[in-house]
Amino acid sequence: NAGVTQTPKFRILKIGQSMTLQCTQDMNHNYMYWYRQDPGMGLKLIYYSVGAGITDKGEVPNGYNVSRSTTEDFPLRLELAAPSQTSVYFCASRTGGDTEAFFGQGTRLTVV
Amino acid sequence: DQQVKQNSPSLSVQEGRISILNCDYTNSMFDYFLWYKKYPAEGPTFLISISSIKDKNEDGRFTVFLNKSAKHLSLHIVPSQPGDSAVYFCARNNDMRFGAGTRLTVKP
Repeated sequence: NAGVTQTPKFRILKIGQSMTLQCTQDMNHNYMYWYRQDPGMGLKLIYYSVGAGITDKGEVPNGYNVSRSTTEDFPLRLELAAPSQTSVYFCASRTGGDTEAFFGQGTRLTVV
Repeated sequence: DQQVKQNSPSLSVQEGRISILNCDYTNSMFDYFLWYKKYPAEGPTFLISISSIKDKNEDGRFTVFLNKSAKHLSLHIVPSQPGDSAVYFCARNNDMRFGAGTRLTVKP
């Protein structure tokens, strides 16, 4: 099993550009999450989903959008990139609300 | 409002000694907590968990203690090994909130 796969691994964006960070899991997990980790900081929850067609905001949702059309995919959209969105982004998934999460390797995004 | 707190950004211990990483939480009556370990350029990986109905959970060199009255949990690693050098996060299960992490360095 590949587990949780994130693409791309690295990206440099210009201010105002848009992009989609991809996240796919092959474990048939219902729950999926997006986090950002700023240098020296912890993981901040951006958005999460408890199943296909259901998404909800986390701690820091502003400037991001998500969709969950399938169980496997949970893309994160940045519409107007800002320098404050420079971060490492992690996607995670888990079977249900009481199990451990599996994380992808992360996407390092720089907005200049 | 940070509901899961790790107040020590870093910890350095000698190989073979005990490492103790701490975590405090608010607003949880019944839940369970998880510890994750993160190496540079990798995603976090699950290490150990503890349910709020227990005081202790042990897995090899790793033990997590939960003090419900103090709303405090701690991760003990004994003996510590250089390969344990990583960032450790505690997380609350019900809302998947993470602490800021503690960077553990184990010196040979």
